[in-house]
Amino acid sequence: DADVTQTPRNRITKTGKRIMLECSQTKGHDRMYWYRQDPGLGLRLIYYSFDVKDINKGEISDGYSVSRQAQAKFSLSLESAIPNQTALYFCATSPTGETNTIYFGEGSWLTVV
Amino acid sequence: AQSVTQLGSHVSVSEGALVLLRCNYSSSVPPYLFWYVQYPNQGLQLLLKYTTGATLVKGINGFEAEFKKSETSFHLTKPSAHMSDAAEYFCAVTGSGSARQLTFGSGTQLTVLP
Repeated sequence: DADVTQTPRNRITKTGKRIMLECSQTKGHDRMYWYRQDPGLGLRLIYYSFDVKDINKGEISDGYSVSRQAQAKFSLSLESAIPNQTALYFCATSPTGETNTIYFGEGSWLTVV
Repeated sequence: AQSVTQLGSHVSVSEGALVLLRCNYSSSVPPYLFWYVQYPNQGLQLLLKYTTGATLVKGINGFEAEFKKSETSFHLTKPSAHMSDAAEYFCAVTGSGSARQLTFGSGTQLTVLP
C-alpha cells in the first residue's frame, strides 16, 4: 500500500461544481501539502499544513480551500470548479526536522469541463 | 524570493551516454537543493538532495549532482544512461523564511534512445 494515498485518482467534473480531493498518509508525518502540476510550469504549492491546527496559503491558493481533519488526513476542495483548474494535483508529506524531504502521492487528475 | 531554472525542457541521450540535466537557482538564504524524478503516471520520488557539507551528492540509480555556489548551479549527471531513466526530472530549492517551502523548476523530460 502507498504511504500517501490520494482519492480519487481521476475525476471529471463540470464547471461550477464543488469537488474534493482527499489525501491520507501512513508515514506519521506532521506536515502535509497540496501541489498542482501543469505542463511546463512544474509544481506549484496550493496550501500546506504543519500540524492539525496550522493551515497556510501557498503560491496559488485562490479558488481552493483545505481541511486538515487529522494528522493523517488533508483534503483539498474546489468550491466552484473552473476549467483552468484542470491539472494534476499532488498531496505530499514531510517530517518535522528532516531537511524538507517531501514524499508525494501518486496524483489526482482533475478535468473541469 | 527563490527561483529555479531548468535549462532544456526536453533532453535526449543515447543509451550508455552521459546524462546532464541543468539546474540554476536563486535564493536569498543558503539553499537546500533537491532533484526529484517523476515516472509516467506516478508521483515524484526524491533522487538526491544537498543540504550542507560535501558539495558532490550521490543519489539513487547512479545519479549525482554537484552544488556550485559560485555558479548557483546544481546540475544532475549520470555517467551512462539506461532506458529506465526515461522520465521527467525536477530541480527544487527551498524558499526563504522559517517555512523553507520548496520551489520547483519547470521540469526536464529525459528521453533515452536505443
